[in-house]
Amino acid sequence: GDSVTQMEGPVTLSEEAFLTINCTYTATGYPSLFWYVQYPGEGLQLLLKATKADDKGSNKGFEATYRKETTSFHLEKGSVQVSDSAVYFCALSDPQTGANNLFFGTGTRLTVIP
Amino acid sequence: DTEVTQTPKHLVMGMTNKKSLKCEQHMGHRAMYWYKQKAKKPPELMFVYSYEKLSINESVPSRFSPECPNSSLLNLHLHALQPEDSALYLCASSQELGGYTFGSGTRLTVV
Repeated sequence: GDSVTQMEGPVTLSEEAFLTINCTYTATGYPSLFWYVQYPGEGLQLLLKATKADDKGSNKGFEATYRKETTSFHLEKGSVQVSDSAVYFCALSDPQTGANNLFFGTGTRLTVIP
Repeated sequence: DTEVTQTPKHLVMGMTNKKSLKCEQHMGHRAMYWYKQKAKKPPELMFVYSYEKLSINESVPSRFSPECPNSSLLNLHLHALQPEDSALYLCASSQELGGYTFGSGTRLTVV
């Protein structure tokens, strides 16, 4: 079955540090991959996505590249800010399952300190 | 309009109450979803509506009853809930594989 394995948190970084949150997936077909961010007390916001191998999604300084050979979609940012403190979820949608729903990783809580 | 609107934002209900959560989108998305999220956990899929028909019910107890009156609206009717049903309930919509838009959620407390 489809699944997403995400780096365990929490992650605490100083402002301007480099961020990597690892995400690997298992899927039957050729999934689309997503990163969602959840700020405290809020719903989920789409951060970026990639729909096929070698695509790079990017938004607000965050990037992730769809790597089919390693079944990975790691999230990176070169210089984090305090405002990036949130929970980050890696997710996939697999049309092979016949269902148009998202499979989420467990989430990684990021805290950025000044 | 690029939002999914959920009401109410907060709800406290007793175990004998009947209440409804509402979700609305005007993006023309034909798939709508209910997710349940417990603290420090990822969202868990409850129901999927595709073209206003229920296509997935992830073994959700009957005390949760979804309804899709039209392509823009999705309701979740609640009856005889338990304290362990307290959670953040998220609605989402999508158009094929272009990505899912989530609402800000209803934080439900069952007392």
